[in-house]
Amino acid sequence: IAGITQAPTSQILAAGRRMTLRCTQDMRHNAMYWYRQDLGLGLRLIHYSNTAGTTGKGEVPDGYSVSRANTDDFPLTLASAVPSQTSVYFCASRKGLNTEAFFGQGTRLTVV
Amino acid sequence: AQSVTQPDIHITVSEGASLELRCNYSYGATPYLFWYVQSPGQGLQLLLKYFSGDTLVQGIKGFEAEFKRSQSSFNLRKPSVHWSDAAEYFCAVGRTIDSNYQLIWGAGTKLIIKP
Repeated sequence: IAGITQAPTSQILAAGRRMTLRCTQDMRHNAMYWYRQDLGLGLRLIHYSNTAGTTGKGEVPDGYSVSRANTDDFPLTLASAVPSQTSVYFCASRKGLNTEAFFGQGTRLTVV
Repeated sequence: AQSVTQPDIHITVSEGASLELRCNYSYGATPYLFWYVQSPGQGLQLLLKYFSGDTLVQGIKGFEAEFKRSQSSFNLRKPSVHWSDAAEYFCAVGRTIDSNYQLIWGAGTKLIIKP
């Protein structure tokens, strides 16, 4: 593993199903983020975690939950998927305050 | 509210021509500024960043950007574009409020290269 790894790369999901998107980083970064990217809307923050054991809500948290049990992993869960959650999801991490973010390759999720 | 504006949704440039992508932000203090590039189907890669000091910053792949406080701008430039520069470019502003550091993103500018 080098950097940030997201899984799966893509997924088609039936509406109402539960889904967890995985994100793992090996850089020992403190902060981690989940964004969704939609055409014309740029990146919107879903949830974040400044350090292991803490999480916070971003701009569009409804319908999503996260956990941060350790430094490396930051899974994003959709409890009951809806078509409006069709998007490309990016996980990112950052070493410390006021530093740049590093991104995973993204997960393309289609909810039908 | 703080915001980042990239006024051009897409820009078409001939290969070998110069490029300038615009980014304006609204933020009271001097922000931390970033430009990222996203190739199709890929994640975002940092091109360059400005934290303080020299207002003209050099990045990877021959890109540079200039911070202009008076205009609240951080425009990205390249003297001569290559076909491989076709991608989407995102400007972002970093800010800390109540110990929470956030990146505020522009909507992106898609760069199209004409042969």
